[in-house]
Amino acid sequence: EVQLVESGGGLVQPGGSLRLSCAASGFTFSSYAMHWVRQAPGKGLEYVSAISSNGGSTYYANSVKGRFTISRDNSKNTLYLQMGSLRAEDMAVYYCARARPQGPFDYWGQGTLVTVSS
Amino acid sequence: EIVLTQSPGTLSLSPGERATLSCRASQSVSSSYLAWYQQKPGQAPRLLIYGASSRATGIPDRFSGSGSGTDFTLTISRLEPEDFAVYYCQQYGSLPLTFGGGTKVEIK
Repeated sequence: EVQLVESGGGLVQPGGSLRLSCAASGFTFSSYAMHWVRQAPGKGLEYVSAISSNGGSTYYANSVKGRFTISRDNSKNTLYLQMGSLRAEDMAVYYCARARPQGPFDYWGQGTLVTVSS
Repeated sequence: EIVLTQSPGTLSLSPGERATLSCRASQSVSSSYLAWYQQKPGQAPRLLIYGASSRATGIPDRFSGSGSGTDFTLTISRLEPEDFAVYYCQQYGSLPLTFGGGTKVEIK
């Protein structure tokens, strides 16, 4: 069974940092590109970041470029999102999702909530 | 960036009725790389349709997708109680991948 389990969310002050993790199981992690998508409270889905299957290519939405870093450890079947200089507008549930090249997001994690507040 | 506009914002229907949801792209979506997701409160999105018209594994055949280029449609032929949710379209053909703003299907 495919499983994606996010962790690392919590309360952080504006300007602070947080690292999210997404533990994958039930599939060959190294064969899939991985993505982060976020959803602010009561809002729609926003695409955040992506990383290729071997980690060689990354992509960031303009809203997080220069502040967030996506990475993966294929030996640990884990995806990461290092978030820095956090702002109130970064407050959201963060989901990880998997996708084949040029494919849709066929599995999603349950999400982890990031709250940015003083 | 490809902007996806979903309409209507809210659809009020009764169980058994047909639902028709629209997703319009600001430019052509390459190779029909258009997906539809369903999201219920407190849950992650679930893939329903990919490639504009292919159902994902385990998705009932009352869900169907159609369209190409810039105009796409998700149809639910007969609404079941569990279908009342928010639906999002997504283009995954070019970066940045983008989502529509969503259509809420609510019980009338």
